[in-house]
Amino acid sequence: SQKIEQNSEALNIQEGKTATLTCNYTNYSPAYLQWYRQDPGRGPVFLLLIRENEKEKRKERLKVTFDTTLKQSLFHITASQPADSATYLCALGGSYIPTFGRGTSLIVHP
Amino acid sequence: DGGITQSPKYLFRKEGQNVTLSCEQNLNHDAMYWYRQDPGQGLRLIYYSQIVNDFQKGDIAEGYSVSREKKESFPLTVTSAQKNPTAFYLCASSILSGQAYYGYTFGSGTRLTVV
Repeated sequence: SQKIEQNSEALNIQEGKTATLTCNYTNYSPAYLQWYRQDPGRGPVFLLLIRENEKEKRKERLKVTFDTTLKQSLFHITASQPADSATYLCALGGSYIPTFGRGTSLIVHP
Repeated sequence: DGGITQSPKYLFRKEGQNVTLSCEQNLNHDAMYWYRQDPGQGLRLIYYSQIVNDFQKGDIAEGYSVSREKKESFPLTVTSAQKNPTAFYLCASSILSGQAYYGYTFGSGTRLTVV
């Protein structure tokens, strides 16, 4: 069955450093991958999409890579700020309804 | 401003009671979805609808029911048949053809607790 893995342990980093979050998947050949941000008690907010034929996508301080051979996406936040602290979810799609991972909590310390 | 409104934000249900969660969107999106989120788990799809008067079961539809009488509205009823309803419920909508590129728009959620 399809499986999406995101690190269940929170990632703690210092302000100004680059945060890197991982999304691994098995038994799946997604056409695209999305990243969302979720704050406590709120709904997720769509951040970025990367398609299977794209290696890298950037948006301001965000960068996403997609390696279909490794079956992995990396999500980077450069020059991280305490305001970036949240849970980040990846979602894989190909058929109509994407499948979401559990998310990884990022904590940026001032 | 366009968006999705979920109400209420908090809901308490007694054993054996049916409750209905509201979801309204003014984004003119064709598709709407209901997800359930439990601590440490990903979003699990309950029901989705692509057009008015049509909806499909998701992965965990048992104990839930929906209706889609209007494009803007997609209420979810949690019935007494749902044995473990305590969770955070999220409603979402999307453009049907551009769902991948634009992603989902989510509401702020309803936290349901059985008392």
